[in-house]
Amino acid sequence: RKEVEQDPGPFNVPEGATVAFNCTYSNSASQSFFWYRQDCRKEPKLLMSVYSSGNEDGRFTAQLNRASQYISLLIRDSKLSDSATYLCVVPSNQAGTALIFGKGTTLSVSS
Amino acid sequence: ETGVTQSPTHLIKTRGQQVTLRCSSQSGHNTVSWYQQALGQGPQFIFQYYREEENGRGNFPPRFSGLQFPNYSSELNVNALELDDSALYLCASTPPRGNTEAFFGQGTRLTVV
Repeated sequence: RKEVEQDPGPFNVPEGATVAFNCTYSNSASQSFFWYRQDCRKEPKLLMSVYSSGNEDGRFTAQLNRASQYISLLIRDSKLSDSATYLCVVPSNQAGTALIFGKGTTLSVSS
Repeated sequence: ETGVTQSPTHLIKTRGQQVTLRCSSQSGHNTVSWYQQALGQGPQFIFQYYREEENGRGNFPPRFSGLQFPNYSSELNVNALELDDSALYLCASTPPRGNTEAFFGQGTRLTVV
């Protein structure tokens, strides 16, 4: 299993839709997880951190299932501005605070 | 803005040349990591510097090297450039506590021709 694997995408949804992204990770010892958002040709920016079973911030909900080594990101009431690539991220167990990124899932929200 | 700045923003080099990319970390952050992001891929960890010492390395050949300076700024050097080195190079700084948010610079887009 790859260290971090994500849904391939792309996801094309209308405004107002609910969309969910899935991610699996291989290191069962991981204690923290992140979702980053990356706009086209820009740097990644932290969207959410997940340290226990889940986290919620407005329209965004991240859930963690440690037994299945699975993380999800749910976006409710999608906006045009949510169009971006969403990266699932797990800390490296080999180097300090280095991060292991998934390939990313592209979301396109249309009107 | 994250407070992490990278230079240059864009660069075109010829195969076989050498390149140096620079990064100024956010104030108070003593750890700097470098990542390579090829088109359509997630960022790949190159190496990390903590207090001027390399503190971990990803699966990159020795022609990728780096430095960290006393003010925690950092350089990434790539020798003998290959076409596949064309990518967005991202620098990220993290605060001393560890395992918290990484703050990324805007990246340097390197094209090797």
